[in-house]
Amino acid sequence: KAGVTQTPRYLIKTRGQQVTLSCSPISGHRSVSWYQQTPGQGLQFLFEYFSETQRNKGNFPGRFSGRQFSNSRSEMNVSTLELGDSALYLCASRKTGDEAFFGQGTRLTVV
Amino acid sequence: EDQVTQSPEALRLQEGESSSLNCSYTVSGLRGLFWYRQDPGKGPEFLFTLYSAGEEKEKERLKATLTKKESFLHITAPKPEDSATYLCAVLDYGGSQGNLIFGKGTKLSVKP
Repeated sequence: KAGVTQTPRYLIKTRGQQVTLSCSPISGHRSVSWYQQTPGQGLQFLFEYFSETQRNKGNFPGRFSGRQFSNSRSEMNVSTLELGDSALYLCASRKTGDEAFFGQGTRLTVV
Repeated sequence: EDQVTQSPEALRLQEGESSSLNCSYTVSGLRGLFWYRQDPGKGPEFLFTLYSAGEEKEKERLKATLTKKESFLHITAPKPEDSATYLCAVLDYGGSQGNLIFGKGTKLSVKP
Protein backbone atom coordinates (compact mmCIF):
# COMPACT_ATOMS: atom_id res chain seq x y z
CA LYS A 1 0.00 0.00 0.00
CA ALA A 2 1.52 3.31 -1.07
CA GLY A 3 2.11 5.92 1.61
CA VAL A 4 1.84 9.67 1.44
CA THR A 5 3.88 11.01 -1.46
CA GLN A 6 5.32 14.51 -1.47
CA THR A 7 7.05 16.16 -4.39
CA PRO A 8 9.56 17.51 -4.85
CA ARG A 9 11.79 16.26 -2.04
CA TYR A 10 14.14 19.22 -2.22
CA LEU A 11 13.80 22.78 -3.46
CA ILE A 12 16.05 25.81 -3.51
CA LYS A 13 14.37 29.14 -4.17
CA THR A 14 15.36 32.79 -4.06
CA ARG A 15 13.77 35.36 -1.78
CA GLY A 16 10.72 36.90 -3.36
CA GLN A 17 9.90 33.90 -5.51
CA GLN A 18 6.91 31.65 -5.04
CA VAL A 19 6.79 27.89 -4.67
CA THR A 20 4.22 25.11 -5.00
CA LEU A 21 4.50 21.82 -3.15
CA SER A 22 2.45 18.73 -3.89
CA CYS A 23 1.04 15.95 -1.74
CA SER A 24 -0.70 12.73 -2.75
CA PRO A 25 -2.44 11.13 0.24
CA ILE A 26 -2.87 7.45 0.94
CA SER A 27 -5.56 5.99 -1.28
CA GLY A 28 -8.96 6.43 0.35
CA HIS A 29 -7.83 9.21 2.69
CA ARG A 30 -9.80 12.39 2.25
CA SER A 31 -8.18 14.62 4.85
CA VAL A 32 -4.85 16.27 4.08
CA SER A 33 -2.99 18.48 6.54
CA TRP A 34 0.17 20.50 6.06
CA TYR A 35 2.82 21.25 8.69
CA GLN A 36 5.99 23.29 8.77
CA GLN A 37 8.94 21.91 10.72
CA THR A 38 11.89 24.05 11.79
CA PRO A 39 14.58 23.38 14.39
CA GLY A 40 13.44 26.28 16.54
CA GLN A 41 9.64 25.92 16.39
CA GLY A 42 9.21 22.22 15.78
CA LEU A 43 6.13 21.06 13.88
CA GLN A 44 3.52 23.75 13.35
CA PHE A 45 0.13 23.30 11.72
CA LEU A 46 -0.52 25.20 8.50
CA PHE A 47 -3.93 24.04 7.27
CA GLU A 48 -6.19 21.06 6.70
CA TYR A 49 -8.34 20.18 3.73
CA PHE A 50 -11.21 17.74 3.56
CA SER A 51 -13.26 17.09 0.44
CA GLU A 52 -11.70 20.08 -1.34
CA THR A 53 -12.61 22.47 1.50
CA GLN A 54 -10.23 24.11 3.93
CA ARG A 55 -11.44 22.93 7.28
CA ASN A 56 -8.90 24.62 9.52
CA LYS A 57 -6.02 27.04 9.29
CA GLY A 58 -3.03 27.65 11.53
CA ASN A 59 -1.44 30.93 12.48
CA PHE A 60 0.56 31.65 9.35
CA PRO A 61 0.49 34.72 7.08
CA GLY A 62 -1.66 34.84 3.98
CA ARG A 63 1.41 34.12 1.82
CA PHE A 64 0.78 30.49 2.71
CA SER A 65 -2.15 28.97 0.88
CA GLY A 66 -3.35 25.60 -0.25
CA ARG A 67 -5.96 23.69 -2.11
CA GLN A 68 -7.26 20.19 -2.54
CA PHE A 69 -8.44 18.52 -5.70
CA SER A 70 -11.30 16.10 -6.26
CA ASN A 71 -8.89 13.14 -6.11
CA SER A 72 -7.78 14.34 -2.63
CA ARG A 73 -4.35 15.40 -3.85
CA SER A 74 -3.29 18.68 -2.31
CA GLU A 75 -0.95 21.51 -3.09
CA MET A 76 0.40 24.29 -0.92
CA ASN A 77 1.76 27.53 -2.23
CA VAL A 78 4.05 30.06 -0.61
CA SER A 79 4.33 33.43 -2.29
CA THR A 80 6.98 36.11 -1.82
CA LEU A 81 9.37 33.73 -0.14
CA GLU A 82 11.38 34.90 2.88
CA LEU A 83 14.54 33.41 4.34
CA GLY A 84 12.52 32.32 7.37
CA ASP A 85 10.35 30.10 5.19
CA SER A 86 13.23 27.64 4.90
CA ALA A 87 11.90 24.49 6.52
CA LEU A 88 10.76 20.92 6.07
CA TYR A 89 7.16 20.97 4.86
CA LEU A 90 5.22 17.89 5.79
CA CYS A 91 1.93 16.60 4.53
CA ALA A 92 -0.22 14.16 6.48
CA SER A 93 -3.31 12.25 5.45
CA ARG A 94 -6.10 10.69 7.49
CA LYS A 95 -8.98 8.41 6.64
CA THR A 96 -11.82 8.46 9.15
CA GLY A 97 -9.80 7.88 12.31
CA ASP A 98 -7.57 10.29 14.15
CA GLU A 99 -4.20 8.84 13.15
CA ALA A 100 -2.31 11.03 10.72
CA PHE A 101 0.25 9.47 8.39
CA PHE A 102 3.03 11.67 7.15
CA GLY A 103 4.95 11.88 3.93
CA GLN A 104 8.73 12.25 3.72
CA GLY A 105 8.45 16.00 3.38
CA THR A 106 9.77 18.67 1.05
CA ARG A 107 12.93 20.42 2.19
CA LEU A 108 12.65 24.06 1.09
CA THR A 109 15.71 26.29 1.22
CA VAL A 110 15.30 29.98 0.54
CA VAL A 111 18.48 31.86 -0.37
CA GLU B 1 -4.11 27.33 24.90
CA ASP B 2 -3.10 23.76 24.15
CA GLN B 3 0.47 22.94 25.07
CA VAL B 4 2.71 19.90 24.78
CA THR B 5 6.06 19.70 26.55
CA GLN B 6 8.49 16.85 26.08
CA SER B 7 11.42 15.97 28.29
CA PRO B 8 14.27 15.46 28.19
CA GLU B 9 15.24 17.26 24.98
CA ALA B 10 17.97 14.71 24.39
CA LEU B 11 18.72 11.33 25.90
CA ARG B 12 21.79 9.17 25.47
CA LEU B 13 21.56 5.51 26.42
CA GLN B 14 23.80 2.51 26.21
CA GLU B 15 22.40 -0.44 24.34
CA GLY B 16 20.21 -2.39 26.73
CA GLU B 17 19.75 0.51 29.16
CA SER B 18 15.98 1.02 29.61
CA SER B 19 14.51 4.49 30.14
CA SER B 20 11.39 6.63 29.70
CA LEU B 21 10.48 9.73 27.73
CA ASN B 22 7.91 12.16 29.10
CA CYS B 23 5.16 14.15 27.38
CA SER B 24 3.16 16.62 29.48
CA TYR B 25 0.09 18.19 27.93
CA THR B 26 -2.50 20.85 28.60
CA VAL B 27 -5.69 20.67 26.56
CA SER B 28 -9.29 21.65 27.16
CA GLY B 29 -10.50 18.18 26.18
CA LEU B 30 -8.20 15.40 25.06
CA ARG B 31 -9.42 13.58 21.98
CA GLY B 32 -6.23 11.60 21.53
CA LEU B 33 -2.50 11.55 22.22
CA PHE B 34 -0.10 10.33 19.57
CA TRP B 35 3.49 9.19 19.52
CA TYR B 36 5.63 9.41 16.41
CA ARG B 37 9.19 8.48 15.57
CA GLN B 38 11.17 10.70 13.21
CA ASP B 39 14.49 9.84 11.60
CA PRO B 40 16.70 12.66 10.26
CA GLY B 41 15.42 14.13 7.00
CA LYS B 42 12.27 12.00 7.03
CA GLY B 43 8.65 12.45 7.95
CA PRO B 44 7.26 11.31 11.32
CA GLU B 45 6.31 7.64 11.50
CA PHE B 46 3.16 6.84 13.46
CA LEU B 47 3.68 4.67 16.54
CA PHE B 48 0.71 4.82 18.94
CA THR B 49 -2.60 6.48 19.73
CA LEU B 50 -3.84 6.71 23.32
CA TYR B 51 -7.33 7.92 24.15
CA SER B 52 -7.97 7.63 27.87
CA ALA B 53 -6.08 7.65 31.16
CA GLY B 54 -4.81 4.21 32.08
CA GLU B 55 -4.51 3.07 28.49
CA GLU B 56 -1.30 1.35 27.40
CA LYS B 57 0.00 0.32 23.97
CA GLU B 58 3.05 -1.77 23.13
CA LYS B 59 5.15 -2.35 20.05
CA GLU B 60 8.39 -4.31 20.21
CA ARG B 61 10.62 -2.51 22.75
CA LEU B 62 8.28 0.47 23.12
CA LYS B 63 5.37 0.92 25.51
CA ALA B 64 3.26 4.06 25.73
CA THR B 65 1.14 4.95 28.74
CA LEU B 66 -1.29 7.77 29.44
CA THR B 67 -2.45 9.65 32.55
CA LYS B 68 -4.69 12.70 32.77
CA LYS B 69 -1.75 15.08 32.43
CA GLU B 70 1.09 13.19 30.80
CA SER B 71 2.20 10.28 28.71
CA PHE B 72 5.31 8.17 28.93
CA LEU B 73 7.13 6.28 26.23
CA HIS B 74 9.05 3.47 27.89
CA ILE B 75 11.93 1.96 25.97
CA THR B 76 13.05 -1.46 27.17
CA ALA B 77 16.52 -2.76 26.31
CA PRO B 78 16.99 -0.29 23.44
CA LYS B 79 19.10 -1.02 20.40
CA PRO B 80 21.08 1.43 18.24
CA GLU B 81 18.33 1.29 15.60
CA ASP B 82 15.96 2.87 18.13
CA SER B 83 17.95 6.10 17.80
CA ALA B 84 15.59 8.79 16.49
CA THR B 85 13.58 11.79 17.61
CA TYR B 86 10.35 10.81 19.34
CA LEU B 87 7.47 13.24 18.98
CA CYS B 88 4.33 13.51 21.06
CA ALA B 89 1.19 15.23 19.76
CA VAL B 90 -2.34 15.86 21.03
CA LEU B 91 -5.68 16.31 19.34
CA ASP B 92 -8.13 18.50 21.21
CA TYR B 93 -11.90 18.08 21.19
CA GLY B 94 -12.33 21.78 21.75
CA GLY B 95 -9.82 22.74 19.12
CA SER B 96 -10.10 22.57 15.41
CA GLN B 97 -10.37 19.31 13.55
CA GLY B 98 -7.18 17.75 12.28
CA ASN B 99 -4.98 20.16 14.18
CA LEU B 100 -2.29 18.15 15.93
CA ILE B 101 -0.31 20.07 18.54
CA PHE B 102 3.24 18.72 18.72
CA GLY B 103 5.90 18.82 21.36
CA LYS B 104 9.44 19.59 20.26
CA GLY B 105 10.54 16.02 20.65
CA THR B 106 13.12 13.98 22.50
CA LYS B 107 16.22 13.05 20.54
CA LEU B 108 17.27 9.56 21.57
CA SER B 109 20.75 8.20 20.90
CA VAL B 110 21.52 4.57 21.70
CA LYS B 111 25.17 3.62 21.68
CA PRO B 112 26.32 0.02 21.11
